[in-house]
Amino acid sequence: EAQVTQNPRYLITVTGKKLTVTCSQNMNHEYMSWYRQDPGLGLRQIYYSMNVEVTDKGDVPEGYKVSRKEKRNFPLILESPSPNQTSLYFCASSSPLTYEQYFGPGTRLTVT
Amino acid sequence: GNSVTQMEGPVTLSEEAFLTINCTYTATGYPSLFWYVQYPGEGLQLLLKATKADDKGSNKGFEATYRKETTSFHLEKGSVQVSDSAVYFCALIDSGNNNDMRFGAGTRLTVKP
Repeated sequence: EAQVTQNPRYLITVTGKKLTVTCSQNMNHEYMSWYRQDPGLGLRQIYYSMNVEVTDKGDVPEGYKVSRKEKRNFPLILESPSPNQTSLYFCASSSPLTYEQYFGPGTRLTVT
Repeated sequence: GNSVTQMEGPVTLSEEAFLTINCTYTATGYPSLFWYVQYPGEGLQLLLKATKADDKGSNKGFEATYRKETTSFHLEKGSVQVSDSAVYFCALIDSGNNNDMRFGAGTRLTVKP
């Protein structure tokens, strides 16, 4: 089954404690991206990757890092989380042929 | 820059009512347009898409037509069901601009029996 998986689904952490949210896809897609969803703001892109070892900033990259060492994985790293990063995070992947994005189930992060 | 503006919600309808959710866009290139749907507690799923002017995307009774002259991509359904209750997102991708991807703010639809 074609899917994008994210872990963990829920996370409560404290300010400053480094965390990683994993994302993996099994569709051999070149393009992967991370979004955050906040009420009234829709989805905003954090980072995206066009292929292995190629990453670029989206609209709201501050406070986040990513890496793309393998085609299937695209982890999101928060080196020093702050309360304003409390949000719902989605990973997505797509083929450059169709641009149709497949989304993971989401990770709800709370930073206290 | 590119942007998507969609009708603010929430929208509440009775079952079998007609649905329209407005979406307009601004793009420097020739974007592909999408509607995604998010059911409670889930990620977004592609509902329909259109890749060029005058294309009509359709799926599950929903339709939207890519109107270049009015830069619009309004979502319509003739008869909504309770199971259509969800948040709907209009989106564009501009393949000529480094695959710039933009989403609207989302419109929450509630359908009452």
